[in-house]
Amino acid sequence: GEDVEQSLFLSVREGDSSVINCTYTDSSSTYLYWYKQEPGAGLQLLTYIFSNMDMKQDQRLTVLLNKKDKHLSLRIADTQTGDSAIYFCAETVYGQNFVFGPGTRLSVLP
Amino acid sequence: NAGVMQNPRHLVRRRGQEARLRCSPMKGHSHVYWYRQLPEEGLKFMVYLQKENIIDESGMPKERFSAEFPKEGPSILRIQQVVRGDSAAYFCASSGSNYEQFFGPGTRLTVL
Repeated sequence: GEDVEQSLFLSVREGDSSVINCTYTDSSSTYLYWYKQEPGAGLQLLTYIFSNMDMKQDQRLTVLLNKKDKHLSLRIADTQTGDSAIYFCAETVYGQNFVFGPGTRLSVLP
Repeated sequence: NAGVMQNPRHLVRRRGQEARLRCSPMKGHSHVYWYRQLPEEGLKFMVYLQKENIIDESGMPKERFSAEFPKEGPSILRIQQVVRGDSAAYFCASSGSNYEQFFGPGTRLTVL
């Protein structure tokens, strides 16, 4: 079945850029997502990208998609302590059966 | 425009009891998804419903778990005869005609 992989932990210093990586196996994925989960809370949709795009930028967030390698990344510029959270990558084919990665726990050090 | 609502936020049950988790989607959304998140793990898809229809239940355990999304009222995830392994956070998400899913705050189920 489909699978989504992420590294589990990432630590950066405040003000640096964070890059969170994700790989997926389903070549027919049409939409790929990044969600943020803070402790004790639900998931907040940060951004998503269609599979026919290779980049999307939204303020401090940049998403890069390499469809050939099935690799998705999320770059957070000027990382702040408020960015500390778990970041989930997810993919879907036409909106059914979203598959989530295990999440990357981002720690921002002062 | 209220977001996705889930209640209760916290639910404690003893082994063998029933748990009912409710989810009200965002206004105008007709697609509802249920996910389970075990401690320190990612989300696992359970079931995808539209009004009065189960579209995909490939992630639902075969026994004790059921879900519905009636014509009127919230979607319900029902767990019968709960066991300790059912302790988890259960998240509901809803979507409209595009492919954005919006999540509720979750129900944290603790089985004693």
